[in-house]
Amino acid sequence: DAKTTQPNSMESNEEEPVHLPCNHSTISGTDYIHWYRQLPSQGPEYVIHGLTSNVNNRMASLAIAEDRKSSTLILHRATLRDAAVYYCILRTYSNYQLIWGAGTKLIIKP
Amino acid sequence: EPEVTQTPSHQVTQMGQEVILRCVPISNHLYFYWYRQILGQKVEFLVSFYNNEISEKSEIFDDQFSVERPDGSNFTLKIRSTKLEDSAMYFCASSEALPPGNEQFFGPGTRLTVL
Repeated sequence: DAKTTQPNSMESNEEEPVHLPCNHSTISGTDYIHWYRQLPSQGPEYVIHGLTSNVNNRMASLAIAEDRKSSTLILHRATLRDAAVYYCILRTYSNYQLIWGAGTKLIIKP
Repeated sequence: EPEVTQTPSHQVTQMGQEVILRCVPISNHLYFYWYRQILGQKVEFLVSFYNNEISEKSEIFDDQFSVERPDGSNFTLKIRSTKLEDSAMYFCASSEALPPGNEQFFGPGTRLTVL
């Protein structure tokens, strides 16, 4: 399975945008890029996913590099509630499972 | 908004005992999953289930584990003879359709403590 690389942690100020990077240099043409997050003491939560084009939803935006070897999750205006571990995961047709890395722990400062 | 529910929220058991963790997936979902997370570690996949059979399982999911969908709503994970190292948070998830372009919805988890 193609792997992803994320920073261990990032800090941001409340009400400012946050850009969470993910490198996936060995991504294949059929891999989707998924982002999940896990708030403290909760189950994981889906955030967004994409294949080639940038994607927006009510939670976040996903910017995918033209060569697809990296992507960035954008939280447009972080709140304290966005403090969580964010996971970048690649999924392909042959995998039912989600393969989790260590993720990025996002700390939001008031 | 529909959600995945899990019971109990916390289960304490003695080593060697059998436990059953219960999940109610979102009603129109067809694919079901169990994951676990040992305290302070990564989330690990255990098993996926579709059309009343296991579609994929990890090395962790050995003969001590089994899954079942006993009726139209519940999805259970049974551990036949618990070990100390089975202590973890167990998360159930469901999805409407096949990967890779569909999200999985997770429950709040069951904390299993094996003494």
